[in-house]
Amino acid sequence: QKEVEQNSGPLSVPEGAIASLNCTYSDRGSQSFFWYRQYSGKSPELIMSIYSNGDKEDGRFTAQLNKASQYVSLLIRDSQPSDSATYLCAAYSGAGSYQLTFGKGTKLSVIP
Amino acid sequence: SAVISQKPSRDICQRGTSLTIQCQVDSQVTMMFWYRQQPGQSLTLIATANQGSEATYESGFVIDKFPISRPNLTFSTLTVSNMSPEDSSIYLCSVEVRAGVVSHGYTFGSGTRLTVV
Repeated sequence: QKEVEQNSGPLSVPEGAIASLNCTYSDRGSQSFFWYRQYSGKSPELIMSIYSNGDKEDGRFTAQLNKASQYVSLLIRDSQPSDSATYLCAAYSGAGSYQLTFGKGTKLSVIP
Repeated sequence: SAVISQKPSRDICQRGTSLTIQCQVDSQVTMMFWYRQQPGQSLTLIATANQGSEATYESGFVIDKFPISRPNLTFSTLTVSNMSPEDSSIYLCSVEVRAGVVSHGYTFGSGTRLTVV
């Protein structure tokens, strides 16, 4: 059973601070990892993808991957109230299985 | 990336009836995926729909309850049959964005919020 685990939160951070979101996965065969942002009542929106160990930066977002520890994280710098949403971590195994396994999501609240 | 048009966006249905959800993609895709998101929960894959073959259902989901059609490479429907209040969820279709053998994640339709009364 492939699983992706996230703290459900809510995670509250003040505006301008760094928000740190964490995720672990069970399937060592997972090749690609994705972070989705989901506003209430909306569908998930892909914001970051990461495929190899290390950090990947895109604007205020940094994704970190450690395959040995089976750990993925997302850092949001200079958090804004508009970042308040649920963040879903997803793992992709490939190798004939084309589905994403999603975590339950972490709800982030950025306090003005 | 692909743009998906999904409809209806929401519906309130009587128990025992059926609802068909449609997804139209602006480009040809091999596989389309149908997810369910129950209130306060994450996304659960219902089935994978390939054009020209039977859909592949995940554990806990059966064709009689969730029949799927995939008549061409840009369109798919999911029917929720003989509905009960437990079927109240958001239903989402999605397609994979690929560059060669590398997956760049999935794009989702806008979702269908279903309430069964």
